[in-house]
Amino acid sequence: GQSLEQPSEVTAVEGAIVQINCTYQTSGFYGLSWYQQHDGGAPTFLSYNALDGLEETGRFSSFLSRSDSYGYLLLQELQMKDSASYFCAVFDQTGANNLFFGTGTRLTVIP
Amino acid sequence: NAGVTQTPKFRVLKTGQSMTLLCAQDMNHEYMYWYRQDPGMGLRLIHYSVGEGTTAKGEVPDGYNVSRLKKQNFLLGLESAAPSQTSVYFCASSLDSVTAGGQQFFGPGTRLTVL
Repeated sequence: GQSLEQPSEVTAVEGAIVQINCTYQTSGFYGLSWYQQHDGGAPTFLSYNALDGLEETGRFSSFLSRSDSYGYLLLQELQMKDSASYFCAVFDQTGANNLFFGTGTRLTVIP
Repeated sequence: NAGVTQTPKFRVLKTGQSMTLLCAQDMNHEYMYWYRQDPGMGLRLIHYSVGEGTTAKGEVPDGYNVSRLKKQNFLLGLESAAPSQTSVYFCASSLDSVTAGGQQFFGPGTRLTVL
């Protein structure tokens, strides 16, 4: 099976940097994705890492260490609109290449 | 492009009633998925389809059926609704699996309450 762990809540100040960690256990790991979901909204794709290292997309970066079964999402220059839930998801090749989601980290950005 | 659309947006059922949730995508994606999202539990895969005419069970398939008669549509059915099926249901699609880099496109969701 699969299991993912991420903090349930994080609070950070506007303009600051925040890191959301994700550790995972899965037998058929292929990659790690991150999704953002605002209250009442749909999840939207942020990033994907299949190889070790850092991927940068604007203010957001995502990191993966396959040997440590660990990844993180880094949000820089936090804005109020970044307040949302962030989900890590393992892309698993067991079966039909599905995504298995963590339980999410609720980020609150305060002034 | 509308992307992924879902109907209805809200629905209230009584225990034992049946209903069908419709998902449509206009991106010519091969893969489609149905998830449910409960408070504090993230998204859990109910059923998925890797192409027209195919369906397969996900993590929590009991009490649900699906059909993919057309490539652009994926239907989720509840034959006899139970209060435990009160949830928000999301449909998603992806171009394929590996090359899509795990990227799935989600619909706006259907909020279902079973009394």
